[in-house]
Amino acid sequence: QKEVEQDPGPLSVPEGAIVSLNCTYSNSAFQYFMWYRQYSRKGPELLMYTYSSGNKEDGRFTAQVDKSSKYISLFIRDSQPSDSATYLCAPWGGATNKLIFGTGTLLAVQP
Amino acid sequence: EAGVTQFPSHSVIEKGQTVTLRCDPISGHDNLYWYRRVMGKEIKFLLHFVKESKQDESGMPNNRFLAERTGGTYSTLKVQPAELEDSGVYFCASSQATIRGGYGYTFGSGTRLTVV
Repeated sequence: QKEVEQDPGPLSVPEGAIVSLNCTYSNSAFQYFMWYRQYSRKGPELLMYTYSSGNKEDGRFTAQVDKSSKYISLFIRDSQPSDSATYLCAPWGGATNKLIFGTGTLLAVQP
Repeated sequence: EAGVTQFPSHSVIEKGQTVTLRCDPISGHDNLYWYRRVMGKEIKFLLHFVKESKQDESGMPNNRFLAERTGGTYSTLKVQPAELEDSGVYFCASSQATIRGGYGYTFGSGTRLTVV
């Protein structure tokens, strides 16, 4: 079983839609939950992160973590064409410095 | 502040040849990481330098891969001899401190390696 499972998509939505991106994970030691955004031909960039369970909002983006079900979500409100990218979840926890990435979900927001 | 720079951006080599990838981290960043994404798979950790020392090389796939970071500045990742399965995108990242969780990482744009 993979440590992190993520639907690769692609996911295509119209501009202005609410987008829901999700991951599941298996390691209960994970404490921090990162979302990275990767534009084509670029490296991943940190979008936001949360610690433990709960919600965190940053502008149009909301990250949600449910540790009891090991489920991570990223919601994008009023999606824009500039949000078109691959979104990678990366939960982390323990004594290691390495990130464990999901496969990423490719999102296309159509104008 | 200049970002993490990787050279070359794209490399096509024949099976059995040698390729060297280079990463210039953000100035002052002691921590340097290499990651790799092969086609259809997730981005996976290769190794972590703290200054010139290898802190964790548990992700290096085999002894055909050699990473160095002389002087604690730029790093090179050499693949010798290259095999078809080495094709993918190699990412470098750096951070100022040993920031756990990756939220202090800055990634480069990657080197796209194609072995034919």
